[in-house]
Amino acid sequence: NAGVTQTPKFRILKIGQSMTLQCTQDMNHNYMYWYRQDPGMGLKLIYYSVGAGITDKGEVPNGYNVSRSTTEDFPLRLELAAPSQTSVYFCASISGGPRYEQYFGPGTRLTVT
Amino acid sequence: AQTVTQSQPEMSVQEAETVTLSCTYDTSENNYYLFWYKQPPSRQMILVIRQEAYKQQNATENRFSVNFQKAAKSFSLKISDSQLGDTAMYFCAFMKQGRNTPLVFGKGTRLSVIA
Repeated sequence: NAGVTQTPKFRILKIGQSMTLQCTQDMNHNYMYWYRQDPGMGLKLIYYSVGAGITDKGEVPNGYNVSRSTTEDFPLRLELAAPSQTSVYFCASISGGPRYEQYFGPGTRLTVT
Repeated sequence: AQTVTQSQPEMSVQEAETVTLSCTYDTSENNYYLFWYKQPPSRQMILVIRQEAYKQQNATENRFSVNFQKAAKSFSLKISDSQLGDTAMYFCAFMKQGRNTPLVFGKGTRLSVIA
């Protein structure tokens, strides 16, 4: 099992550019999440999905979009990048109950200048 | 909404000594999980220990143990025999039981283990 994979690992964007952060898991988990981690802070939830075709907003969704066409993939789209989106982005998946085991990807460091 | 508070932004400990990291949380839920995550400079989020709220017994994982006080909504992490490799950011996190339940994180405590 590869677990949760994210691409790219690093990216520099100019203000106003767009990009997609890729996230894939091979554990057949229904629950998937996108978090952002600003310097010196904990993780904040951007969007989440409880299964293919179902997504919902988290705490900080503005400036982002997601889709979930398959169980495996949960891409995060940044439209019109802004300096405030400079952060480290983590994708995660969670197995079902009762253990609810969590698996995190390695993160994507994004800089918007 | 749930909140998680870590009141110690930074801590340090001598190698081989014991250190305790504090975490408090606020929730109206009765069934939930609590976690401690370690984040070394590699940025990888590593699960250290978990506690189910319905369990009275405190969780232990080798040198790591927790003191879970449900009534006080407190969940501290004790690291015994600290090692240089324990140097990292430590995050306390809350997850309520059931579907649609993302983790809620504290702001973290930066732990430095000194030789």
